Amino acid sequence: QVQLVQSGAEVKKPGASVKVSCKVSGYTLTELSMHWVRQAPGKGLEWMGGFDPEDGETIYAQKFQGRVTMTEDTSTDTAYMELSSLRSEDTAVYYCANQPGFGYSGYFDYWGQGTLVTVSS
Amino acid sequence: EIVMTQSPATLSVSPGERATLSCRASQSVSSNLAWYQQKPGQAPRLLIYGASTRATGIPARFSGSGSGTEFTLTISSLQSEDFAVYYCQQYNNWPPVTFGQGTRLEIK
Repeated sequence: QVQLVQSGAEVKKPGASVKVSCKVSGYTLTELSMHWVRQAPGKGLEWMGGFDPEDGETIYAQKFQGRVTMTEDTSTDTAYMELSSLRSEDTAVYYCANQPGFGYSGYFDYWGQGTLVTVSS
Repeated sequence: EIVMTQSPATLSVSPGERATLSCRASQSVSSNLAWYQQKPGQAPRLLIYGASTRATGIPARFSGSGSGTEFTLTISSLQSEDFAVYYCQQYNNWPPVTFGQGTRLEIK
């Protein structure tokens, strides 16, 4: 059973950066394909990017290109998502989520509990 | 980018009755469609993938159907714990994977 445990809530000022972590247990991070999805207050789900097992690269949604970086520390089985140049519209709950299987599957079977990032001056 | 449109935005149904939720894709996604349930303050929970395959541990009262551009999630006999927001997601054409805007299922 995969468990994804995320870091706690953050409050940031506009223009700052935030780094959210997602600790994996039950499996090793190398066995997973980790993605990040966000949800603004009262809104729907928005995919930000994630690992493509077909070519071993991390793919970012065009909307976040240049502002987001997703990394992994396999020694601690922890994934990270860093978002820079924060603005008020980035206020959201950020989720890590796993795509199952060894190749591309596309859907998400395990999710972290979410991390609320609030951007406010 | 494929746009997913869910209808209705809100559905009011009595416990024990059937609920039918719809999801339409702006272009064909074959059967590469998933459904999620989300309760307040919780992460989404995978219900259905491949348009009609129930995820592990999902009760048989949840069923998915459709292919191409039209999809349906049916909950055959609503239980109190089923009242939540439901999202569809396409993963046929990525990046990006895209979600519908959600259907809120409320108690009538």
